[in-house]
Amino acid sequence: AQSVTQLGSHVSVSEGALVLLRCNYSSSVPPYLFWYVQYPNQGLQLLLKYTSAATLVKGINGFEAEFKKSETSFHLTKPSAHMSDAAEYFCAVSVLTDKLIFGTGTRLQVFP
Amino acid sequence: EPEVTQTPSHQVTQMGQEVILRCVPISNHLYFYWYRQILGQKVEFLVSFYNNEISEKSEIFDDQFSVERPDGSNFTLKIRSTKLEDSAMYFCASSEALRGGGNTGELFFGEGSRLTVL
Repeated sequence: AQSVTQLGSHVSVSEGALVLLRCNYSSSVPPYLFWYVQYPNQGLQLLLKYTSAATLVKGINGFEAEFKKSETSFHLTKPSAHMSDAAEYFCAVSVLTDKLIFGTGTRLQVFP
Repeated sequence: EPEVTQTPSHQVTQMGQEVILRCVPISNHLYFYWYRQILGQKVEFLVSFYNNEISEKSEIFDDQFSVERPDGSNFTLKIRSTKLEDSAMYFCASSEALRGGGNTGELFFGEGSRLTVL
């Protein structure tokens, strides 16, 4: 069965620093991979998605992620953190169907 | 921009009571989903719905849960007799099409309905 593992339930960075949120997936067939962001008291917003096209995927708000099959990873990065990036980030996988399997989430804190 | 809307945003109920959570999916979408997120835990799939029937459901979605599309716009989740452990944020999502044929099957989520069972 497919799954995702997000390493680090909390990540703290300074404003302007690199953001790196880790996600590893497990799937026996080519997956679709997603990153969602959840701001406080809000729903889930799609940041970006990998759907077997380009391995480097660019999303909204300056985020990007790279699909690495050899490492079974889909880490989320942003070169320079902004205070407004503080939120919960979820990695998710879908295989064959549209059902999403979510990771446990990573809370990003950004300090001035 | 079209969006998925959910009501109520927060509901408090007594254990054993019935609860109905309502969702209005994006108008041209055909596939509907419910997920839930217990506080501090990950988002979990509950059920998917297409063509007026359940297409897939998780182990969580037991006989206490049911879904319905009573008219052309609403999609509801009913919990017949709520338990303390049903306290969670419930997310509705919809998609226009399934994966394949050039479609990515992207899900659009609502802002959630927080259910508190006392």
